[in-house]
Amino acid sequence: DAMVIQNPRYQVTQFGKPVTLSCSQTLNHNVMYWYQQKSSQAPKLLFHYYDKDFNNEADTPDNFQSRRPNTSFCFLDIRSPGLGDAAMYLCATSRDRGGEETQYFGPGTRLLVL
Amino acid sequence: KNQVEQSPQSLIILEGKNCTLQCNYTVSPFSNLRWYKQDTGRGPVSLTIMTFSENTKSNGRYTATLDADTKQSSLHITASQLSDSASYICVVRAYNTDKLIFGTGTRLQVFP
Repeated sequence: DAMVIQNPRYQVTQFGKPVTLSCSQTLNHNVMYWYQQKSSQAPKLLFHYYDKDFNNEADTPDNFQSRRPNTSFCFLDIRSPGLGDAAMYLCATSRDRGGEETQYFGPGTRLLVL
Repeated sequence: KNQVEQSPQSLIILEGKNCTLQCNYTVSPFSNLRWYKQDTGRGPVSLTIMTFSENTKSNGRYTATLDADTKQSSLHITASQLSDSASYICVVRAYNTDKLIFGTGTRLQVFP
């Protein structure tokens, strides 16, 4: 059974055209994360939600926004995608923060910017 | 600066052979270390987690070791299978923080 679901799996957008990536979870976890992973690089944390509390990483560009309308869903909005934003975007969840909490990753959305 | 370095960057082995992947970290203070397996085009899946007091942990054919004194970990894969072809990522959490520090991974390819 899928636990962390990401849609779409592949997204093609045009330079500057806003795009939204979706993540949903059936685990009822408190924390949801968005990572950006470029080819052959480690995932880079963009931001996370602890319940409704939004936590932005200091070096995340303003071009990236997020919404969490309820426990199950979290969205990544890219307001004006540039060529450098082409990457795999991974959503992850954890029951709580800190300690030995495991992060469960979705399959990712691969974004292509033309 | 907290960093996680992995070696080798890529590795090719024949099916049935064993292999060992290395992870060195400078994260301090240390909380725990995980090994994740990431299949191509998929999200990472946790294989093992070790805390400061643990020096070995097994998950089937995967055995992870940790030397907290030298800040080194290894992942040993026994009797490799074609399905082991993936990237293996070492991830370290510093004490009292939510942030994970990822290595860049070792790309393993298993050939028949």
